[in-house]
Amino acid sequence: SQQGEEDPQALSIQEGENATMNCSYKTSINNLQWYRQNSGRGLVHLILIRSNEREKHSGRLRVTLDTSKKSSSLLITASRAADTASYFCAATGNTGGFKTIFGAGTRLFVKA
Amino acid sequence: DAGVTQSPTHLIKTRGQQVTLRCSPKSGHDTVSWYQQALGQGPQFIFQYYEEEERQRGNFPDRFSGHQFPNYSSELNVNALLLGDSALYLCASSLYVSGANVLTFGAGSRLTVL
Repeated sequence: SQQGEEDPQALSIQEGENATMNCSYKTSINNLQWYRQNSGRGLVHLILIRSNEREKHSGRLRVTLDTSKKSSSLLITASRAADTASYFCAATGNTGGFKTIFGAGTRLFVKA
Repeated sequence: DAGVTQSPTHLIKTRGQQVTLRCSPKSGHDTVSWYQQALGQGPQFIFQYYEEEERQRGNFPDRFSGHQFPNYSSELNVNALLLGDSALYLCASSLYVSGANVLTFGAGSRLTVL
Protein backbone atom coordinates (compact mmCIF):
# COMPACT_ATOMS: atom_id res chain seq x y z
CA SER A 1 0.00 0.00 0.00
CA GLN A 2 1.12 3.54 -0.60
CA GLN A 3 2.53 5.54 2.26
CA GLY A 4 1.30 8.93 1.13
CA GLU A 5 -2.14 10.03 0.07
CA GLU A 6 -2.56 13.36 -1.70
CA ASP A 7 -5.51 15.69 -1.62
CA PRO A 8 -6.99 16.92 -3.87
CA GLN A 9 -6.61 14.37 -6.64
CA ALA A 10 -6.87 17.15 -9.21
CA LEU A 11 -6.64 20.93 -9.07
CA SER A 12 -7.32 23.53 -11.75
CA ILE A 13 -6.33 27.16 -11.17
CA GLN A 14 -5.59 30.33 -13.09
CA GLU A 15 -2.06 31.53 -13.73
CA GLY A 16 -0.89 33.74 -10.88
CA GLU A 17 -2.97 31.96 -8.23
CA ASN A 18 -1.49 29.84 -5.46
CA ALA A 19 -1.82 26.05 -5.49
CA THR A 20 -1.95 24.02 -2.30
CA MET A 21 -1.64 20.25 -2.19
CA ASN A 22 -1.90 18.11 0.90
CA CYS A 23 -0.42 14.75 1.77
CA SER A 24 -1.09 12.33 4.58
CA TYR A 25 1.04 9.37 5.51
CA LYS A 26 0.65 6.37 7.76
CA THR A 27 3.80 5.59 9.69
CA SER A 28 6.69 7.41 11.33
CA ILE A 29 8.98 9.00 8.83
CA ASN A 30 12.62 10.02 8.51
CA ASN A 31 11.80 12.59 5.85
CA LEU A 32 9.14 13.54 3.35
CA GLN A 33 9.84 14.64 -0.19
CA TRP A 34 7.83 16.17 -3.00
CA TYR A 35 8.36 15.28 -6.63
CA ARG A 36 6.94 16.56 -9.89
CA GLN A 37 6.13 14.57 -13.02
CA ASN A 38 5.32 15.92 -16.47
CA SER A 39 3.11 13.79 -18.72
CA GLY A 40 4.19 10.30 -17.64
CA ARG A 41 7.90 11.01 -17.76
CA GLY A 42 10.43 10.61 -14.98
CA LEU A 43 9.89 12.33 -11.66
CA VAL A 44 11.92 15.33 -10.59
CA HIS A 45 12.77 16.03 -6.97
CA LEU A 46 11.46 19.37 -5.68
CA ILE A 47 12.10 19.57 -1.97
CA LEU A 48 12.84 17.46 1.11
CA ILE A 49 11.73 18.15 4.64
CA ARG A 50 13.07 16.17 7.58
CA SER A 51 10.97 14.88 10.43
CA ASN A 52 12.43 17.45 12.83
CA GLU A 53 11.57 20.37 10.52
CA ARG A 54 8.21 22.13 10.34
CA GLU A 55 8.56 24.36 7.30
CA LYS A 56 10.88 24.72 4.35
CA HIS A 57 11.08 27.09 1.38
CA SER A 58 12.62 26.78 -2.05
CA GLY A 59 11.89 29.52 -4.55
CA ARG A 60 8.11 29.59 -5.07
CA LEU A 61 7.67 26.37 -3.09
CA ARG A 62 6.74 26.16 0.57
CA VAL A 63 6.43 22.84 2.34
CA THR A 64 5.08 22.25 5.82
CA LEU A 65 5.19 19.10 7.90
CA ASP A 66 3.05 18.18 10.89
CA THR A 67 4.30 14.90 12.30
CA SER A 68 1.59 14.83 14.98
CA LYS A 69 -1.05 14.74 12.23
CA LYS A 70 1.15 12.76 9.84
CA SER A 71 0.53 15.33 7.14
CA SER A 72 2.38 17.69 4.83
CA SER A 73 1.40 20.42 2.41
CA LEU A 74 3.03 21.86 -0.67
CA LEU A 75 2.26 25.44 -1.64
CA ILE A 76 3.22 26.78 -5.06
CA THR A 77 2.90 30.54 -5.14
CA ALA A 78 2.18 32.64 -8.24
CA SER A 79 1.54 29.58 -10.40
CA ARG A 80 2.58 29.53 -14.04
CA ALA A 81 1.28 27.46 -16.94
CA ALA A 82 4.61 25.61 -16.86
CA ASP A 83 3.73 24.33 -13.36
CA THR A 84 1.10 22.08 -14.94
CA ALA A 85 2.14 18.58 -13.87
CA SER A 86 1.46 15.82 -11.36
CA TYR A 87 2.88 16.30 -7.88
CA PHE A 88 3.68 13.42 -5.55
CA CYS A 89 4.62 13.27 -1.92
CA ALA A 90 7.02 10.50 -0.96
CA ALA A 91 7.77 9.28 2.53
CA THR A 92 10.87 7.52 3.76
CA GLY A 93 10.22 5.64 6.97
CA ASN A 94 12.54 5.60 9.94
CA THR A 95 12.09 1.87 10.36
CA GLY A 96 12.19 -0.99 7.91
CA GLY A 97 14.89 0.26 5.62
CA PHE A 98 15.48 2.98 3.10
CA LYS A 99 12.57 2.63 0.69
CA THR A 100 10.69 5.73 -0.36
CA ILE A 101 6.97 5.25 -0.86
CA PHE A 102 4.89 7.51 -3.08
CA GLY A 103 1.32 8.67 -2.90
CA ALA A 104 -1.18 8.68 -5.74
CA GLY A 105 -0.44 12.30 -6.66
CA THR A 106 -2.26 15.57 -7.32
CA ARG A 107 -2.78 16.57 -10.93
CA LEU A 108 -2.34 20.34 -11.21
CA PHE A 109 -3.55 22.25 -14.24
CA VAL A 110 -2.65 25.93 -14.47
CA LYS A 111 -4.64 27.85 -17.04
CA ALA A 112 -2.91 30.70 -18.85
CA ASP B 1 26.96 14.84 -16.12
CA ALA B 2 24.54 12.21 -17.39
CA GLY B 3 21.57 11.52 -15.21
CA VAL B 4 19.79 8.20 -14.99
CA THR B 5 19.41 6.42 -18.30
CA GLN B 6 16.94 3.64 -18.96
CA SER B 7 16.50 1.30 -21.88
CA PRO B 8 14.48 0.49 -23.82
CA THR B 9 12.12 3.47 -23.75
CA HIS B 10 9.18 1.52 -25.15
CA LEU B 11 8.52 -2.14 -25.67
CA ILE B 12 5.64 -4.44 -26.47
CA LYS B 13 5.43 -8.01 -25.25
CA THR B 14 2.80 -10.72 -25.19
CA ARG B 15 1.45 -12.53 -22.17
CA GLY B 16 3.79 -15.20 -20.82
CA GLN B 17 6.92 -13.62 -22.24
CA GLN B 18 9.84 -12.32 -20.23
CA VAL B 19 11.32 -8.82 -20.26
CA THR B 20 14.55 -7.22 -19.09
CA LEU B 21 14.80 -3.51 -18.42
CA ARG B 22 18.09 -1.74 -17.87
CA CYS B 23 19.20 1.25 -15.84
CA SER B 24 22.43 3.20 -15.54
CA PRO B 25 22.49 5.35 -12.41
CA LYS B 26 23.64 8.91 -12.11
CA SER B 27 27.37 9.24 -11.72
CA GLY B 28 28.34 8.93 -8.05
CA HIS B 29 25.15 7.17 -6.99
CA ASP B 30 25.39 3.67 -5.52
CA THR B 31 21.75 2.75 -4.88
CA VAL B 32 19.12 1.86 -7.46
CA SER B 33 15.40 1.60 -6.83
CA TRP B 34 12.76 0.36 -9.26
CA TYR B 35 9.17 1.53 -9.40
CA GLN B 36 6.10 0.51 -11.38
CA GLN B 37 3.68 3.25 -12.33
CA ALA B 38 0.30 2.38 -13.80
CA LEU B 39 -1.55 5.05 -15.76
CA GLY B 40 -2.93 7.73 -13.47
CA GLN B 41 -1.34 6.20 -10.36
CA GLY B 42 1.66 6.94 -8.20
CA PRO B 43 4.88 4.95 -8.47
CA GLN B 44 4.78 1.63 -6.62
CA PHE B 45 8.03 0.50 -5.01
CA ILE B 46 9.31 -2.79 -6.45
CA PHE B 47 12.74 -3.15 -4.86
CA GLN B 48 16.00 -1.41 -4.07
CA TYR B 49 19.55 -2.56 -4.75
CA TYR B 50 22.66 -1.57 -2.86
CA GLU B 51 26.10 -3.17 -3.00
CA GLU B 52 24.78 -5.67 -5.56
CA GLU B 53 22.15 -7.01 -3.18
CA GLU B 54 18.41 -6.53 -2.88
CA ARG B 55 18.08 -4.43 0.25
CA GLN B 56 14.36 -3.73 0.29
CA ARG B 57 11.39 -5.20 -1.56
CA GLY B 58 7.86 -4.01 -2.06
CA ASN B 59 4.71 -6.08 -2.46
CA PHE B 60 5.55 -7.65 -5.80
CA PRO B 61 5.59 -11.35 -6.71
CA ASP B 62 8.74 -13.34 -7.36
CA ARG B 63 8.15 -12.92 -11.10
CA PHE B 64 9.86 -9.59 -10.55
CA SER B 65 13.57 -9.94 -9.99
CA GLY B 66 16.58 -7.74 -10.37
CA HIS B 67 20.29 -7.43 -10.33
CA GLN B 68 22.88 -4.79 -9.63
CA PHE B 69 26.29 -4.93 -11.24
CA PRO B 70 29.64 -3.81 -9.82
CA ASN B 71 29.37 -0.55 -11.78
CA TYR B 72 26.05 0.11 -9.96
CA SER B 73 23.93 -0.35 -13.09
CA SER B 74 20.88 -2.49 -12.65
CA GLU B 75 18.39 -4.72 -14.44
CA LEU B 76 14.76 -5.47 -13.75
CA ASN B 77 13.45 -8.80 -15.01
CA VAL B 78 9.81 -9.74 -15.20
CA ASN B 79 8.86 -13.33 -16.06
CA ALA B 80 5.54 -14.76 -17.21
CA LEU B 81 4.14 -11.37 -18.16
CA LEU B 82 0.52 -10.57 -17.37
CA LEU B 83 -1.68 -7.93 -18.93
CA GLY B 84 -1.58 -6.11 -15.59
CA ASP B 85 2.18 -5.69 -15.87
CA SER B 86 1.60 -3.01 -18.51
CA ALA B 87 3.00 0.15 -16.95
CA LEU B 88 5.79 2.70 -16.90
CA TYR B 89 8.81 1.24 -15.12
CA LEU B 90 10.94 3.85 -13.45
CA CYS B 91 14.48 3.49 -12.23
CA ALA B 92 15.79 5.89 -9.61
CA SER B 93 19.32 6.19 -8.31
CA SER B 94 20.45 7.80 -5.09
CA LEU B 95 23.29 8.30 -2.67
CA TYR B 96 22.64 8.32 1.05
CA VAL B 97 23.85 11.73 2.20
CA SER B 98 23.12 13.59 5.44
CA GLY B 99 20.60 10.98 6.49
CA ALA B 100 18.49 10.99 3.34
CA ASN B 101 18.16 9.45 -0.10
CA VAL B 102 17.05 11.94 -2.75
CA LEU B 103 15.97 10.00 -5.82
CA THR B 104 17.05 10.90 -9.35
CA PHE B 105 14.71 9.28 -11.85
CA GLY B 106 15.19 8.11 -15.39
CA ALA B 107 12.57 8.80 -18.06
CA GLY B 108 11.21 5.28 -17.71
CA SER B 109 10.54 2.23 -19.84
CA ARG B 110 6.96 1.92 -21.01
CA LEU B 111 5.94 -1.73 -21.20
CA THR B 112 2.80 -2.83 -23.00
CA VAL B 113 1.69 -6.43 -22.58
CA LEU B 114 -0.77 -7.72 -25.18
